[in-house]
Amino acid sequence: GDSVTQMEGPVTLSEEAFLTINCTYTATGYPSLFWYVQYPGEGLQLLLKATKADDKGSNKGFEATYRKETTSFHLEKGSVQVSDSAVYFCARSFNAGGTSYGKLTFGQGTILTVHP
Amino acid sequence: NAGVMQNPRHLVRRRGQEARLRCSPMKGHSHVYWYRQLPEEGLKFMVYLQKENIIDESGMPKERFSAEFPKEGPSILRIQQVVRGDSAAYFCASSSTGRETNTGELFFGEGSRLTVL
Repeated sequence: GDSVTQMEGPVTLSEEAFLTINCTYTATGYPSLFWYVQYPGEGLQLLLKATKADDKGSNKGFEATYRKETTSFHLEKGSVQVSDSAVYFCARSFNAGGTSYGKLTFGQGTILTVHP
Repeated sequence: NAGVMQNPRHLVRRRGQEARLRCSPMKGHSHVYWYRQLPEEGLKFMVYLQKENIIDESGMPKERFSAEFPKEGPSILRIQQVVRGDSAAYFCASSSTGRETNTGELFFGEGSRLTVL
C-alpha cells in the first residue's frame, strides 16, 4: 500500500544552519506530495506541495523537489530560524492522478528544534 | 475568521466508557476529515464526511467507531467501549471542496488527545 517514510528525529540545529529532512514515498501511481508543519499548540498547516515529477514546491524559504527517480521529496532550508521550530510531516495523496479529496498518507513527523 | 475548532482538547476515559470528539470546520467548509495519530506514528486517515453523508470510511475500525456530520452542528467522532489502544491524538481537518485534483490543502484543528486509563 501507499506509505511515506521520513528521517527519524528529533533534529536539533543552531540558528542559520542548513536544514534537510528526508522523505521518501512508495511509487504507486502518480501522487501529489506535500509538506505540512505543526507549530507548538497549533494544527497542521500546509507548507508546500508539488503535483508532478520535477516540480519544486517552495514557501517561507523552504523548498522540496518531486524526484520520481528516487521517489523522494526532501525538505530543505538554507538558513533556519528559531521560529522554524515545529513538527514537519511529509505526505502523499492517496491514489493515482491526485484526486485525493483530502485523503492523505502521512509520514511519522520530524521534530525540529532550532537554538539561538 | 475562526479556524477548525476541536473539543475537547484533552479527554480521559476509563476502559469501557464512551468518547465523543467534536469538530467544527472552518466557516464555509462542508468537507470534514478525521485522522488519528498513534504514539510514534504518522497521521492515519479515518473517515471523510460531507454534510449528512459519509463519503469514505475506509480507515475506520470496523467496530466501536462511528462518525457523523449532521446538517446542523459539528462533526462528531464517537468511540464506544474504549480500550487502551484507542489512546491517541485525533485530528479533524476541513476543506472547501471535495473531489478535486491535487489540492491536498486541508485545514487542521489542534487535535483532541484521548487517554484511556
